[in-house]
Amino acid sequence: QKEVEQDPGPLSVPEGAIVSLNCTYSNSAFQYFMWYRQYSRKGPELLMYTYSSGNKEDGRFTAQVDKSSKYISLFIRDSQPSDSATYLCAMRPMNNNAGNMLTFGGGTRLMVKP
Amino acid sequence: DGGITQSPKYLFRKEGQNVTLSCEQNLNHDAMYWYRQDPGQGLRLIYYSQIVNDFQKGDIAEGYSVSREKKESFPLTVTSAQKNPTAFYLCASSSTAGETQYFGPGTRLLVL
Repeated sequence: QKEVEQDPGPLSVPEGAIVSLNCTYSNSAFQYFMWYRQYSRKGPELLMYTYSSGNKEDGRFTAQVDKSSKYISLFIRDSQPSDSATYLCAMRPMNNNAGNMLTFGGGTRLMVKP
Repeated sequence: DGGITQSPKYLFRKEGQNVTLSCEQNLNHDAMYWYRQDPGQGLRLIYYSQIVNDFQKGDIAEGYSVSREKKESFPLTVTSAQKNPTAFYLCASSSTAGETQYFGPGTRLLVL
């Protein structure tokens, strides 16, 4: 079993829909949680970064962490065709003796249709 | 503009040839990383370096080599021992106290 699980999709939604992307994990030591967006043939770009449990909002994006369930989510409101990309979750523990090593999910491909 | 650059954007390798992928950053980050991404898959760590003149193997280091002679640069060599090199290669960096990693635009390696 992988340490971080993420449904590969593709997830296809109509423009304007609310999108929910999710990751589950098994390592209770994970404290920092990130979401990256990766357009086709491009490098991942950091979208959201959260520490421990709770919500964080940035424009149309909301990141949610539920440590008790080992479950993180990224919500996209009023989705746009430009949101079509692969979304990668990543996480790491508080003390990372091997540097800022991240554990990644496999990514979910999102398609927003006009 | 601060950031991470990778070159070339596309690279073609002939059978038995070693090729080197360039990664440069001007973010003053101490740590640098190389990942491999295969179609429809996540990122797999090849090598990482936390400081100049030091680096460690990641999960899939066989067939690859790196050097870290300068803080700004972390080139990756794909050797002829890597039998399946076709992939998208991503370089990333982070500060020692930083929370996360930042990625370059990637190099796509294809075998002729």
